[in-house]
Amino acid sequence: QKEVEQNSGPLSVPEGAIASLNCTYSDRGSQSFFWYRQYSGKSPELIMSIYSNGDKEDGRFTAQLNKASQYVSLLIRDSQPSDSATYLCAVKEGNNNDMRFGAGTRLTVKP
Amino acid sequence: DADVTQTPRNRITKTGKRIMLECSQTKGHDRMYWYRQDPGLGLRLIYYSFDVKDINKGEISDGYSVSRQAQAKFSLSLESAIPNQTALYFCATSDIPGYTEAFFGQGTRLTVV
Repeated sequence: QKEVEQNSGPLSVPEGAIASLNCTYSDRGSQSFFWYRQYSGKSPELIMSIYSNGDKEDGRFTAQLNKASQYVSLLIRDSQPSDSATYLCAVKEGNNNDMRFGAGTRLTVKP
Repeated sequence: DADVTQTPRNRITKTGKRIMLECSQTKGHDRMYWYRQDPGLGLRLIYYSFDVKDINKGEISDGYSVSRQAQAKFSLSLESAIPNQTALYFCATSDIPGYTEAFFGQGTRLTVV
């Protein structure tokens, strides 16, 4: 069984702080990694994708990947109340495989 | 208009009834997926299709069937709905190669009473 694990939270941070979201996966053949944000009752929307070891930055968001440790994380700098949502980690093995999701981490940013 | 459209958006049905959820897309993607989402369980894959002639079971396919009528259309059927199929259902698409992200429809909230 291919597993994608996330802490369910809730994770609460004050406005302006750094929020750190973590994800581990069991399938060593995984090659593509995604972070989605989902507001309550809405569909998931892509925040970041990462394919190589290391860091990838996009505005206030940084994704970090460590394939040896089977670990991917998302850092949100200068957190805003509008960042309050559930963050889903998703993993794909390769070209012909499905995308597996973690259960999501609920983030609350307090003003 | 949304690139991935699901109908209906909300549905209440009775136990034992057959119900179909429909998904259509204008993104031109070959790959389409059906997921269900339950509180605390994240998104779980029901079925996926890489083209019209290719249908694959996901991790929770029991009690569901699908039809890929065309590249742009992928339907999910519950042959005999049961209450534990009450959930939020999402259709998604992705492009070739498989490294690309999935794009989601707005979701269908299904309640089986």
